Amino acid sequence: DAKTTQPTSMDCAEGRAANLPCNHSTISGNEYVYWYRQIHSQGPQYIIHGLKNNETNEMASLIITEDRKSSTLILPHATLRDTAVYYCIADTSNSNSGYALNFGKGTSLLVTP
Amino acid sequence: GAVVSQHPSWVICKSGTSVKIECRSLDFQATTMFWYRQFPKQSLMLMATSNEGSKATYEQGVEKDKFLINHASLTLSTLTVTSAHPEDSSFYICSAVPLGRDIYEQYFGPGTRLTVT
Repeated sequence: DAKTTQPTSMDCAEGRAANLPCNHSTISGNEYVYWYRQIHSQGPQYIIHGLKNNETNEMASLIITEDRKSSTLILPHATLRDTAVYYCIADTSNSNSGYALNFGKGTSLLVTP
Repeated sequence: GAVVSQHPSWVICKSGTSVKIECRSLDFQATTMFWYRQFPKQSLMLMATSNEGSKATYEQGVEKDKFLINHASLTLSTLTVTSAHPEDSSFYICSAVPLGRDIYEQYFGPGTRLTVT
């Protein structure tokens, strides 16, 4: 079961790229990395996921290192609405149903004007 | 696309009463839905996995007789908190997985804030 380590908080200026790091050094070969975010008092929002190749969608890019021990979520042009807690998840077990997303503590990203 | 709604968005009830929370996938079908709970300043914790047409699978420490889950159709799951007590006050959030998608690509509802007095 891969555990993740993320910085507790980060700041980013509006319009700049936000680069959110995540360490998952114990990830196994078939475990994906998932990113979600949660804006205050709302349900989480799926952002992106990947296995070993870099991924990009309309929300963000995910860069995974070759050894898969870490990854970076990139929000190319952060806006004030991107202020949220960002969760990097690479641990999807330890559950009776086998389908748990273990959210951890995440990184609180503050985008400033 | 992939919108999930919850009703009600907030509810206040008296201790000992039961509360039902609905979770609907509005523009997709979902064989599997999940129920989470989040206490203030804490992360989400999975309570149970709900599969359409079968019994829910509960996580350790979650009482299945207290938190009744029904997943009667591919677009609706309900969570009933029976005999609610103040310690059940929390933010309850559901998620759903569109048919054919990765099980961890979950789309979440906006949450239901339950306050038991």
